[in-house]
Amino acid sequence: AQSVTQLGSHVSVSEGALVLLRCNYSSSVPPYLFWYVQYPNQGLQLLLKYTSAATLVKGINGFEAEFKKSETSFHLTKPSAHMSDAAEYFCAVKLNTNAGKSTFGDGTTLTVKP
Amino acid sequence: DTEVTQTPKHLVMGMTNKKSLKCEQHMGHRAMYWYKQKAKKPPELMFVYSYEKLSINESVPSRFSPECPNSSLLNLHLHALQPEDSALYLCASSQAVGSTEAFFGQGTRLTVV
Repeated sequence: AQSVTQLGSHVSVSEGALVLLRCNYSSSVPPYLFWYVQYPNQGLQLLLKYTSAATLVKGINGFEAEFKKSETSFHLTKPSAHMSDAAEYFCAVKLNTNAGKSTFGDGTTLTVKP
Repeated sequence: DTEVTQTPKHLVMGMTNKKSLKCEQHMGHRAMYWYKQKAKKPPELMFVYSYEKLSINESVPSRFSPECPNSSLLNLHLHALQPEDSALYLCASSQAVGSTEAFFGQGTRLTVV
């Protein structure tokens, strides 16, 4: 079984401030972990993924995430927020099997204030 | 080409209508997916096709009927829908069901009146 919990349904930061979006997972086997971004009325775009290689993963648009097995966490960070980062962010987990099913967290809405 | 193309972008249909959503990819992916997403909620998996065969049906009502006519195309046939079926329908594809990365289309915004 697998599950994802995103702590904080809404996060608000000032432009230029650190962005931290939290994700904790539960998985019975080694997981694959993902962060997706979704802009209004758009599909999901993959920001980054963890697939059991390096624990610190760098993605697009300056985002990165660190896989911490001891904390079962995969938090998303960006050193300096930009107005264009305002969007919905989803953390997702997929088991390292051939099942093809990803489980998404409930999402975090990021607001960036000028 | 790393795109998944969905048509139409918007669809309004009555409860007695029959309509279809289309999804196309030319990345040679052999796994394709349909998701349903309600406002302010995460995507919910509906169907998974692997090598053009239905491999997962997440107990979706029969008024939704998927079809995979070839490896590049995925359809979702709609009939006798209810207003609560109004949502954003997302298509995705990946190299195979065990692949780590899925590519999503922009979605079809469906409104049932």
